[in-house]
Amino acid sequence: AQSVAQPEDQVNVAEGNPLTVKCTYSVSGNPYLFWYVQYPNRGLQFLLKYITGDNLVKGSYGFEAEFNKSQTSFHLKKPSALVSDSALYFCAVRPSSGGYNKLIFGAGTRLAVHP
Amino acid sequence: DAGVTQSPTHLIKTRGQQVTLRCSPKSGHDTVSWYQQALGQGPQFIFQYYEEEERQRGNFPDRFSGHQFPNYSSELNVNALLLGDSALYLCASSRGRANTEAFFGQGTRLTVV
Repeated sequence: AQSVAQPEDQVNVAEGNPLTVKCTYSVSGNPYLFWYVQYPNRGLQFLLKYITGDNLVKGSYGFEAEFNKSQTSFHLKKPSALVSDSALYFCAVRPSSGGYNKLIFGAGTRLAVHP
Repeated sequence: DAGVTQSPTHLIKTRGQQVTLRCSPKSGHDTVSWYQQALGQGPQFIFQYYEEEERQRGNFPDRFSGHQFPNYSSELNVNALLLGDSALYLCASSRGRANTEAFFGQGTRLTVV
């Protein structure tokens, strides 16, 4: 079955420190991978995507993610966290087969950045 | 560019009733997908519309149905509402089959009492 796992319900980090939010996936073929962020009472905002090419992709607001095919992981990273980064983060995968762009989401990880 | 817009933002319905949620896609987008996000969970794919036809469907009962209009806007209908249908319903739009990201609306918060 196709699935996305975000093993941490919550990640706590001090402002200015690097952050990592973990994501692993189980999908056949070569999937397309995405990170979205959700602020309270809001929809999802796109952060970045991996389709092909360089395993390190850069996105919005200083975020980046590293694709590791052998570990089937796509961890979200930022070198220096801001309090305003505190939000709910979702990893999502789009299976490469099928031709349409259904997204499979993880359960989400709440990021708390403390001053 | 108004982005993806959904209406209404909040809705309270009684068990057994029917509800219609609406979505206007981002300008230039022709594909609309609907997701259900229960409290504390990630969004779950309901179905997707492209060229006015349902193209993919998630694991949701037939009580959930939809429609896409010629201007690409879409409706999600839920019949015989259950308490468990209470959730945030998200609409996402994208461009055809291209490997582009989906843009999400702010969602409709449905509460079934």
